[in-house]
Amino acid sequence: NAGVMQNPRHLVRRRGQEARLRCSPMKGHSHVYWYRQLPEEGLKFMVYLQKENIIDESGMPKERFSAEFPKEGPSILRIQQVVRGDSAAYFCASSPPIGRGNYNEQFFGPGTRLTVL
Amino acid sequence: SQQGEEDPQALSIQEGENATMNCSYKTSINNLQWYRQNSGRGLVHLILIRSNEREKHSGRLRVTLDTSKKSSSLLITASRAADTASYFCATFGNEKLTFGTGTRLTIIP
Repeated sequence: NAGVMQNPRHLVRRRGQEARLRCSPMKGHSHVYWYRQLPEEGLKFMVYLQKENIIDESGMPKERFSAEFPKEGPSILRIQQVVRGDSAAYFCASSPPIGRGNYNEQFFGPGTRLTVL
Repeated sequence: SQQGEEDPQALSIQEGENATMNCSYKTSINNLQWYRQNSGRGLVHLILIRSNEREKHSGRLRVTLDTSKKSSSLLITASRAADTASYFCATFGNEKLTFGTGTRLTIIP
């Protein structure tokens, strides 16, 4: 059973370009979480998705950022018109179906390191 | 201060010694977890302790949780060079993980 896959592992973009980060959850996992880690800091929650639904996007910047988790295919975190401050490591995690208030371990991918020139 | 703050921010010890890291948090939690992150890599889940538990062991790891003080500690015994990494606590509540700022642990051979 492969772990959480993220690609690309490294992404370089110039200011104003778009960045697309992909996350394939573990087999059988229907919940996906995106986190951002700035240099020398901890991870910050961005968004929590289930298949075709955004459950909690309270950590997403209001502009330029969007996320989706379609019925088929990986989850995508999209950053439009990137700026230097978007340079960070973006981690995806997945977990199996959970009941409310219960918790299953989140399994993390290796991350995508975005550099904006 | 932030939810999930670790202290110290950085810790250097000799190989073979024990390393203790602390974490404080603000809100009520369902559970608290500790993760390790090697430089430039992803996160590795170490241990989870539920809010109704006070202590948990896993190999050389010992975690305590004091919900009255909203604090947790991670003890790594008989440290090894391979333990050099950043360690984060994360609290689970409102269906998401909230991470602390991390402790950078360096084991000196």
